Amino acid sequence: GESVGLHLPTLSVQEGDNSIINCAYSNSASDYFIWYKQESGKGPQFIIDIRSNMDKRQGQRVTVLLNKTVKHLSLQIAATQPGDSAVYFCAEIRTGGFKTIFGAGTRLFVKA
Amino acid sequence: GAVVSQHPSRVICKSGTSVKIECRSLDFQATTMFWYRQFPKKSLMLMATSNEGSKATYEQGVEKDKFLINHASLTLSTLTVTSAHPEDSSFYICSANPDVSSSYNEQFFGPGTRLTVL
Repeated sequence: GESVGLHLPTLSVQEGDNSIINCAYSNSASDYFIWYKQESGKGPQFIIDIRSNMDKRQGQRVTVLLNKTVKHLSLQIAATQPGDSAVYFCAEIRTGGFKTIFGAGTRLFVKA
Repeated sequence: GAVVSQHPSRVICKSGTSVKIECRSLDFQATTMFWYRQFPKKSLMLMATSNEGSKATYEQGVEKDKFLINHASLTLSTLTVTSAHPEDSSFYICSANPDVSSSYNEQFFGPGTRLTVL
């Protein structure tokens, strides 16, 4: 079946380093892709999104890259901070509505 | 900013009882809300789309008679887990889209409800 998934379940980085979280998807019909951050016991928090007709979008300390050729999405976090420690999900909005399908998630650990 | 609340935040119940979880959009109206469940160390799984004034749309594999959804007003959707069993223990999260927004990404998530069935 079609799915949105992540390559790595856990990522550990040193404070100050850059983090790269990857995601593979299989549904080429999705309109948008979103990265969410979820802290323990809380709901997902929107980080950044990208439309399917774009290949890069930058925010504050975060960049999302979309490679439609290989159906790959990545989230880059610059100068990772302890507060960035959380689980990160990629998600897709499929055509026809706001329904959001989440990927498996990657837990990011930031070492001080 | 738009806020979505859930009540209760935690609930413990006995097997066989029913539990109601509320999802409220506090400062906006939402014709459409979504319910997700999340098992420990797992992703969010979409259960159903809650539509104000009409029946909910359930995802494949989700029992509609088990998970009753009522979206009686533009600011409130409820999820009732009927005859709960230990395997229903999970983290339930709702989200809502403001009616005034046509942007897909303005979907606001609630803080979640932790259900434990003994």
